[in-house]
Amino acid sequence: EDKVVQSPLSLVVHEGDTVTLNCSYEVTNFRSLLWYKQEKKAPTFLFMLTSSGIEKKSGRLSSILDKKELFSILNITATQTGDSAVYLCAVYIIQGAQKLVFGQGTRLTINP
Amino acid sequence: NAGVTQTPKFQVLKTGQSMTLQCAQDMNHEYMSWYRQDPGMGLRLIHYSVGAGITDQGEVPNGYNVSRSTTEDFPLRLLSAAPSQTSVYFCASSYSGRGIYEQYFGPGTRLTVT
Repeated sequence: EDKVVQSPLSLVVHEGDTVTLNCSYEVTNFRSLLWYKQEKKAPTFLFMLTSSGIEKKSGRLSSILDKKELFSILNITATQTGDSAVYLCAVYIIQGAQKLVFGQGTRLTINP
Repeated sequence: NAGVTQTPKFQVLKTGQSMTLQCAQDMNHEYMSWYRQDPGMGLRLIHYSVGAGITDQGEVPNGYNVSRSTTEDFPLRLLSAAPSQTSVYFCASSYSGRGIYEQYFGPGTRLTVT
């Protein structure tokens, strides 16, 4: 059974802190790993990672994939209250047709 | 473009009632899918479609039906609602050829079954 596990499930930090969110996976027919940010409503796309060891960056957010150890991390530096959200990790697989398998999400709360 | 639209935004049903959650997109996307999101469970795939006339089951299809008669619309039917179907439902769409990672999500429907 395809499985994506995120940790921690919940994290509370102060503004300005740096956080690391984790995502591990056990799937067949891996194609890529994706990170989404979900605030009040629908998830919005952050990153897609396909190759090991290549960091993707967008402002204060960065992410990297390790295909040997089957995990990814999402780093957020100098956190702001606007970073408070649920962060979802998903793995894109092809088994006949294309599918996204999601982890449970990490709820990040940034306190001022 | 309106993107992906879902109706209704909120719905309360009694056990055993039926209803249809509507999803439409105006981006000419081939791939459409339905997810449910429960606390602590992330998003789980219910059904998906790779084009008009083609649908398939996802992780949690029991209790739900879908059809895809046009490219634009992908309704989700609950034939006999159960309390276990209380959840937030998201519809998403993308171009199949570019990989479904570029999924566009609708705003969601919050369903409560009593």
